[in-house]
Amino acid sequence: GNSVTQMEGPVTLSEEAFLTINCTYTATGYPSLFWYVQYPGEGLQLLLKATKADDKGSNKGFEATYRKETTSFHLEKGSVQVSDSAVYFCALSVRTGNQFYFGTGTSLTVIP
Amino acid sequence: DSGVTQTPKHLITATGQRVTLRCSPRSGDLSVYWYQQSLDQGLQFLIQYYNGEERAKGNILERFSAQQFPDLHSELNLSSLELGDSALYFCASSVDRAGPEETQYFGPGTRLLVL
Repeated sequence: GNSVTQMEGPVTLSEEAFLTINCTYTATGYPSLFWYVQYPGEGLQLLLKATKADDKGSNKGFEATYRKETTSFHLEKGSVQVSDSAVYFCALSVRTGNQFYFGTGTSLTVIP
Repeated sequence: DSGVTQTPKHLITATGQRVTLRCSPRSGDLSVYWYQQSLDQGLQFLIQYYNGEERAKGNILERFSAQQFPDLHSELNLSSLELGDSALYFCASSVDRAGPEETQYFGPGTRLLVL
């Protein structure tokens, strides 16, 4: 079947620290992979995506590389800011029917 | 702004009641998805509609139902409400074509409180 596993939170970092949020997946076929971010009181927003193996998605200083050999799509940022405090969801999409599968979300708090 | 609209933003009702949540997808998007987000269950996929037809079902209770209308807006009906139905309900839409456009875009959500 299709599923996404994210590292458990919550994660608390100091400003300018390095961030890694782990995400692994199982999928039938060749999925597309996504990171969504949910700021407090808001809906989910697409942060970045990658549609094939070895693709790197990037946005707002965040990066994630689609690793087929390790079935992973870890989210990284070199220097986090207080404004990055949010919940981050890893997700995959299978092409048949365009169904999405979301991880449980990882809460990030960045302290000044 | 994702282009997906949801109404109402907040809803407070009593146990046993019925409510309807409304979603308008982005212009041109054919698929609509409904999700429930609660503190203990995380983000749960409920149901997907594509161009008026049900396409996929997730963890949707029998007390809940949805439909997508010819103008592509969708409604989620929740009946015989229980305290545990209190949650954020999100709608998302997508073009639903394999390729670079397969992203889901989320609305701001409807916060339902059942008292």
